[in-house]
Amino acid sequence: SQTIHQWPATLVQPVGSPLSLECTVEGTSNPNLYWYRQAAGRGLQLLFYSVGIGQISSEVPQNLSASRPQDRQFILSSKKLLLSDSGFYLCAGSGGTDTQYFGPGTRLTVL
Amino acid sequence: QKEVEQDPGPLSVPEGAIVSLNCTYSNSAFQYFMWYRQYSRKGPELLMYTYSSGNKEDGRFTAQVDKSSKYISLFIRDSQPSDSATYLCAMTRNTNAGKSTFGDGTTLTVKP
Repeated sequence: SQTIHQWPATLVQPVGSPLSLECTVEGTSNPNLYWYRQAAGRGLQLLFYSVGIGQISSEVPQNLSASRPQDRQFILSSKKLLLSDSGFYLCAGSGGTDTQYFGPGTRLTVL
Repeated sequence: QKEVEQDPGPLSVPEGAIVSLNCTYSNSAFQYFMWYRQYSRKGPELLMYTYSSGNKEDGRFTAQVDKSSKYISLFIRDSQPSDSATYLCAMTRNTNAGKSTFGDGTTLTVKP
């Protein structure tokens, strides 16, 4: 089975600062990778997904971007954070089946 | 209208009770059905995965899919305080880059 690593676990950033969240995958090759945001008490909002290196699809227009520089690495970025970017960010991967495995998440607070 | 609707809860039951968690969906193209458990401040973990209509059992958990009614359920028998979590249903179309559509989750509390 695959393991999803995410860091940092928590992050507090000022408005207008840049963001970089990293996700790496173990246990599978050529996975589909996903970034989600979860608001408190709410479901998962898909932000980006990638089916291969350099291939990024955006689901929701926003202040964020994603990149996949390596097969098992997925990065979520922002040049200037907004208050509304606060939330719980989850990276997930799927490989070979249609089930997704999630990382531990990053709790981002923008002040 | 959302593609996936999940009973919102919250749900509070005594230890040992049978719990039923439910989702309905509108898109008949969904073919894979999952249940995830999410503890507070943690990532979701996959509990059950089913493909066809019918029941799938794993220990105290049973996942039920009724494609004709577009309805899925997760049953928890002999519920334990450690089952207290938010449960998310999820569904995937056959060819959609593996993208899943999630319900908003039902928060369950099992009281000792």
